Amino acid sequence: AQTVTQSQPEMSVQEAETVTLSCTYDTSESNYYLFWYKQPPSRQMILVIRQEAYKQQNATENRFSVNFQKAAKSFSLKISDSQLGDTAMYFCAFMKHKLASGTYKYIFGTGTRLKVLA
Amino acid sequence: ETGVTQSPTHLIKTRGQQVTLRCSSQSGHNTVSWYQQALGQGPQFIFQYYREEENGRGNFPPRFSGLQFPNYSSELNVNALELDDSALYLCASSLVWSRGTEAFFGQGTRLTVV
Repeated sequence: AQTVTQSQPEMSVQEAETVTLSCTYDTSESNYYLFWYKQPPSRQMILVIRQEAYKQQNATENRFSVNFQKAAKSFSLKISDSQLGDTAMYFCAFMKHKLASGTYKYIFGTGTRLKVLA
Repeated sequence: ETGVTQSPTHLIKTRGQQVTLRCSSQSGHNTVSWYQQALGQGPQFIFQYYREEENGRGNFPPRFSGLQFPNYSSELNVNALELDDSALYLCASSLVWSRGTEAFFGQGTRLTVV
């Protein structure tokens, strides 16, 4: 069974600085997807960034980038130029898409609460 | 805004009662999944519906059931509510067969069982 571990329950960063959130996972699969989702106080889960395991190149979305280390099963999120609006819970998630049945499910970590300080 | 809407936003029920939560999927999406997020935890997969049939289920008892309608809206039903059912329930919609698909989540329904 797959598991996702986020070892940092809470983090804080000064506005405009850079912060890295850690995530490790365990799987025997070779093809899968990894995600970082943001959950602000509004509760809606918002996709931050996605990485496909077969791609060696790390994904980047504006101020957000990942460090994907497949052999180490590590998937960290780097937020550059942190903004007050980045304050939220961040969840790392694993997904194995079962193409035959169309079934897919996310396996989420327990989250990291990030606070950006003015 | 993701286009996925859930109702109600908050709900209080008594232990032993039954509850129905509703979700309207994003336009064009044919798959809906439900997740339970207990306080301080990540979301846990309950089940998934595709073309009105359940095609995947997590480790939840049969008193958790669902429906998906032809217009891709969905319901989550929970019978015989227990105190541990208190959680945020998230609905997520997606388009199956789209490799590398991602789910779009609603804002959730906060269920409190007393």
